[in-house]
Amino acid sequence: QVQLQESGPGLVKPSETLSLTCTVSGYSISSGYYWGWIRQPPGKGLEWIGSIYHSGSTYYNPSLKSRVTISVDTSKNQFSLKLSSVTAADTAVYYCARQEGGSGSPFDYWGQGTLVTVSS
Amino acid sequence: QSVLTQPPSVSAAPGQKVTISCSGSSSNIGNNYVSWYQQLPGTAPKLLIYENNKRPSGIPDRFSGSKSGTSATLGITGLQTGDEADYYCGTWDSSLSGVVFGGGTKLTVL
Repeated sequence: QVQLQESGPGLVKPSETLSLTCTVSGYSISSGYYWGWIRQPPGKGLEWIGSIYHSGSTYYNPSLKSRVTISVDTSKNQFSLKLSSVTAADTAVYYCARQEGGSGSPFDYWGQGTLVTVSS
Repeated sequence: QSVLTQPPSVSAAPGQKVTISCSGSSSNIGNNYVSWYQQLPGTAPKLLIYENNKRPSGIPDRFSGSKSGTSATLGITGLQTGDEADYYCGTWDSSLSGVVFGGGTKLTVL
């Protein structure tokens, strides 16, 4: 059974960089698939942040691209998200998920999500 | 303002059928596959439908998906109280070069 688990600080100060890691179990990232990050502000809908292939190829939400970096560490079976220059608008539950393929392929396995609050 | 438009809420009685619409354009739904997700309160989204009308293993056939032109529809028959959740459609937008989601629809089973 594929399982994903997000980890990282739950509180980040404005203007700083948000950093999260997703640890995958039950499947080897190096075997394939894309791996993505999606966020959900409190009481609002889903927003795709970006996705990465096991080879390191990435594609990002154009509206966040200038602030986002997604990387993969196949040796640890993890992938990570960095979002720079955060503001209160970046407060959200952040989910990591497996994506069957690139572009509009569905996200078939999701982590439980982690709430990140941006506040001083 | 979401690229894909969904009704904010729908409701129906237990045992009845409900449909949830997702409206887009030729740059997204019109030329790409649509997925549907169910988000029960306090939990992560779960994939219900992919490639417009396919169900992952374990999803009951009470859930169905269809697409026509630039709109997609999720259907749920034999409604149960456990189906109360938020439902989201998602697809690729070729103009934006990104994954887009609808704003979500809250289903209430009266």
